[in-house]
Amino acid sequence: TQLLKQSPQFLSIQEGENLTVYCNSSSVFSSLQWYRQEPGEGPVLLVTVVTGGEVKKLKRLTFQFGDARKDSSLHITAAQPGDTGLYLCAGLPLGAGGTSYGKLTFGQGTILTVHP
Amino acid sequence: GAVVSQHPSWVICKSGTSVKIECRSLDFQATTMFWYRQFPKQSLMLMATSNEGSKATYEQGVEKDKFLINHASLTLSTLTVTSAHPEDSSFYICSARDMARPTYEQYFGPGTRLTVT
Repeated sequence: TQLLKQSPQFLSIQEGENLTVYCNSSSVFSSLQWYRQEPGEGPVLLVTVVTGGEVKKLKRLTFQFGDARKDSSLHITAAQPGDTGLYLCAGLPLGAGGTSYGKLTFGQGTILTVHP
Repeated sequence: GAVVSQHPSWVICKSGTSVKIECRSLDFQATTMFWYRQFPKQSLMLMATSNEGSKATYEQGVEKDKFLINHASLTLSTLTVTSAHPEDSSFYICSARDMARPTYEQYFGPGTRLTVT
């Protein structure tokens, strides 16, 4: 069973602060996605990382895929109240594109609250 | 692009009745769709994998006779909760995998809030 440990589970910060969310596993993933979900809505894809060591930036968000493709991080600079939500990492296990039809392994989620 | 719709967005039904939820990929084809259940402030729990033209694959502990899945076309999958009970009340979310993308991203619908009274 592929497991993704996401931390922290809860994060409550003030506007303007920086934060990092981590996803770690002992298993290798073909790719890893980060999603953001607001209450009562479905998750929205933020980014996909595929290559070990890859870094992608999306405005104030920086995503990194570990060299061994076992871990990933999301860093938010100068957080804003609009960043509030549930952040989910999800990995595609190696070989899961075949018989598993691309079934993702999800982390437990990080609930981020940014106070004005 | 990559839009997934879900209908209805919310439904209230009486115990013992059945409820059907539709999931559609609007601008891409999806041979594979996934159905999740989500409890408040928790991550997604995969219920089943829906494949066009074949039987769904259910996760351990999910009753296939209670949660009927049909994937009749490349853009539509349905989840029917049969003989619903209050413990089935939850937020149900579908996702679809874009066949054209090699990295297996899933695009999620907006979810359906089911309340069984």
